[in-house]
Amino acid sequence: QQPVQSPQAVILREGEDAVINCSSSKALYSVHWYRQKHGEAPVFLMILLKGGEQKGHEKISASFNEKKQQSSLYLTASQLSYSGTYFCGTEMETSYDKVIFGPGTSLSVIP
Amino acid sequence: DSGVTQTPKHLITATGQRVTLRCSPRSGDLSVYWYQQSLDQGLQFLIHYYNGEERAKGNILERFSAQQFPDLHSELNLSSLELGDSALYFCASSVTGLDGYTFGSGTRLTVV
Repeated sequence: QQPVQSPQAVILREGEDAVINCSSSKALYSVHWYRQKHGEAPVFLMILLKGGEQKGHEKISASFNEKKQQSSLYLTASQLSYSGTYFCGTEMETSYDKVIFGPGTSLSVIP
Repeated sequence: DSGVTQTPKHLITATGQRVTLRCSPRSGDLSVYWYQQSLDQGLQFLIHYYNGEERAKGNILERFSAQQFPDLHSELNLSSLELGDSALYFCASSVTGLDGYTFGSGTRLTVV
């Protein structure tokens, strides 16, 4: 039931791009993405709904492949402030009202 | 300040004791979610309340219970505490769930 995230950890230099993947074995209704910095609460980045459009801002965007029950988070031209642990959370079609989070991907951006 | 208030911020208690964690959701949010975060288990979903009613339950132990009151604040009660219950407990709130969750700063529980 818990989604799988990959990679577990990634180190980037400022300006590099990264992709974080999230997959589920169950049919999904929505995928959430959050970032958590050390010692802080998770912060909502975006949500993707079944049948919805790809979301994002200029440098952080995400997609949702409904056929494969996979989502990817794209971080372009990374900044030091992007460092943290990224969690995807999935809501199954058969089980609304609860978001189950993956184990997280630790992302470190170095100068 | 996210608008979600959790108290207390830190709690140290002995095994076998009972504690109550409190959460006040962001103004206008009807849903409250509780999550447990420990080092080796990530964010574990405990329970979801919407406007006073339980909507979904995760792998919440029988020793744990929660409720949401008419003013929408929520309490998570943990009893017969064990060392393994030591963790960061987050409360989150949302309007519909489709607007994303806003997390509080958490309560760090240490059981000694």
